[in-house]
Amino acid sequence: EIQLVESGGDLAQPGGSLRLSCAASGFTFSDYWMSWVRQAPGKGLEWVANIKEDGTQKNYVDSVKGRFTISRDNAKNSLYLQTNGLRVEDTAMYFCARGGHRPDPWGRGTLVTVSS
Amino acid sequence: DIQMTQSPSSLSASVGDRITITCRASQGIRDDLAWYQQKPGKAPKRLIYGASSLQSGVPSRFSGSGSGTEFTLTISSLQPEDFATYYCLQHNSYPRTFGQGTKLEI
Repeated sequence: EIQLVESGGDLAQPGGSLRLSCAASGFTFSDYWMSWVRQAPGKGLEWVANIKEDGTQKNYVDSVKGRFTISRDNAKNSLYLQTNGLRVEDTAMYFCARGGHRPDPWGRGTLVTVSS
Repeated sequence: DIQMTQSPSSLSASVGDRITITCRASQGIRDDLAWYQQKPGKAPKRLIYGASSLQSGVPSRFSGSGSGTEFTLTISSLQPEDFATYYCLQHNSYPRTFGQGTKLEI
């Protein structure tokens, strides 16, 4: 069974940082692009970033470029999202998902709240 | 960026109804479109990929069509478990963009 389990979400102050993690199991992690997608409370889905199987290609939505960094460790079957310079508008549930084009399946998400 | 305009934003329907949700892309995206279903408090689940291919395990009452700039998701006979929010996603270019969602209510 494919499982994606996110962690690392927390309450952060504006300007702060968090490192989100996604532990993958049930498939060959190194064979797949991976993605992060977020959803602000009561709002729609927003694609954040994706990363190629070997980590050599990374893509970001403009609103997080220069602040967020996606990475992966294929030896640990793990995906990461380093979030720096957090803003109130980054408050959201962050989902990791398998695939870089039409991701599926998704994890259950980890909640990031940015507030002073 | 490619804008995905989804309509309607909400829809009231009954069990057994046939409904259609539309997504329009601001420029041509071939068939690089997927449809997702999200229930409250849950992660989205992919229903359709390649605009019209049914995800394994998804009931055949769901279908997708379209190419280029106009796409539709049809549910042929609504079941109680279909009441949820639906999103389209274009993966033709970066950044990937979702439609704003359609909330399907009883």
